[in-house]
Amino acid sequence: DVKVTQSSRYLVKRTGEKVFLECVQDMDHENMFWYRQDPGLGLRLIYFSYDVKMKEKGDIPEGYSVSREKKERFSLILESASTNQTSMYLCASTTRTVPNSPLHFGNGTRLTVT
Amino acid sequence: GQNIDQPTEMTATEGAIVQINCTYQTSGFNGLFWYQQHAGEAPTFLSYNVLDGLEEKGRFSSFLSRSKGYSYLLLKELQMKDSASYLCALRSNDYKLSFGAGTTVTVRA
Repeated sequence: DVKVTQSSRYLVKRTGEKVFLECVQDMDHENMFWYRQDPGLGLRLIYFSYDVKMKEKGDIPEGYSVSREKKERFSLILESASTNQTSMYLCASTTRTVPNSPLHFGNGTRLTVT
Repeated sequence: GQNIDQPTEMTATEGAIVQINCTYQTSGFNGLFWYQQHAGEAPTFLSYNVLDGLEEKGRFSSFLSRSKGYSYLLLKELQMKDSASYLCALRSNDYKLSFGAGTTVTVRA
């Protein structure tokens, strides 16, 4: 069974702090994604990656960056956290080799920026 | 770009049938997914359609019409545990997956 692990379930950070959200998958998936989920807005794509050292902007990349140095790990970085980045962050992975392969999600990180 | 619309909320009675509609506009279609998400949990995969027609999986079925930009998820023999949000998601040709805002289904006894 695919396992996507996010390093923290809950995080509280202060405005202006640099925040790292880590995600690891164990199924050798090529594609990895970071979403944020807010009430009434659904899941919105921040960044995604097709392979090591590759990254593509999603729909709301402003204020975020990502790093994919190893295939199994995809990190989301908030360079200077702001209160409007308080949200649930979900990491997901999938493979390109199977056409109907769904996204497999981690359990999420609920980030509060005060 | 993509635009995905689905109703915000639906309520139904235990044992009944509910149909959740999803309409979309996209510049490149590469599959439509339905996910279920219980409160406080991650989304879990329910179904996938890439060709027109109906896909059936037990109590859940999903339908797709690419020419109409339309899909629905049908939940039959509703159970209390089916109370959840249901997310319609569109995959584009670059394998990016975009989600609708989700439909919250409440099952009443």
